[in-house]
Amino acid sequence: GAGVSQSPSNKVTEKGKDVELRCDPISGHTALYWYRQSLGQGLEFLIYFQGNSAPDKSGLPSDRFSAERTGGSVSTLTIQRTQQEDSAVYLCASSPTAGGTLAKNIQYFGAGTRLSVL
Amino acid sequence: GNSVTQMEGPVTLSEEAFLTINCTYTATGYPSLFWYVQYPGEGLQLLLKATKADDKGSNKGFEATYRKETTSFHLEKGSVQVSDSAVYFCALSKGNYGGATNKLIFGTGTLLAVQP
Repeated sequence: GAGVSQSPSNKVTEKGKDVELRCDPISGHTALYWYRQSLGQGLEFLIYFQGNSAPDKSGLPSDRFSAERTGGSVSTLTIQRTQQEDSAVYLCASSPTAGGTLAKNIQYFGAGTRLSVL
Repeated sequence: GNSVTQMEGPVTLSEEAFLTINCTYTATGYPSLFWYVQYPGEGLQLLLKATKADDKGSNKGFEATYRKETTSFHLEKGSVQVSDSAVYFCALSKGNYGGATNKLIFGTGTLLAVQP
């Protein structure tokens, strides 16, 4: 597609339920990032994919959070047993690569998924 | 660790006023520096960037100069418009040097409201 696409745009769930958030990166971009934007913590890095591998998972806040990427394209962020503190906007970004010149690793962001845990 | 500090908002200005949003950073080595903008209801967009000391990034009338001696990357615009109303984020990246993964480290964001 023309840009990074995220779905759903809004998700309301009950505490304790599992949720899946989807990201479709820009076609051909090998690097993919998940970030979280919350009132208390600002914008935080969660996880980075290069192809289907995740060499940096350092930002995942707990083992309830996981992510995968298949076919070097679509990525899914899964939150198990959601808690109220998981309420945030989850942003996905992609870039052509994660190395080389800056022009090749500028990140392009999707509009985000707003998650509300009741 | 690496971090970004930017001035608290909101910043309220009249149209055609001069804008400065301060940003300072802490990082080892030579990070790349960015300003991203988030318009109401939209995703983050890259506004401008700089990759080394004394570089000036510019776009849409906005400018920021990479100052290594003061570890700063302040955003400026000479004459703001109502359409500039948005949240502005300063960010840094270590690129992939030394095994870094090019992740962005953001400041807390500054809300700019421009009144007609």
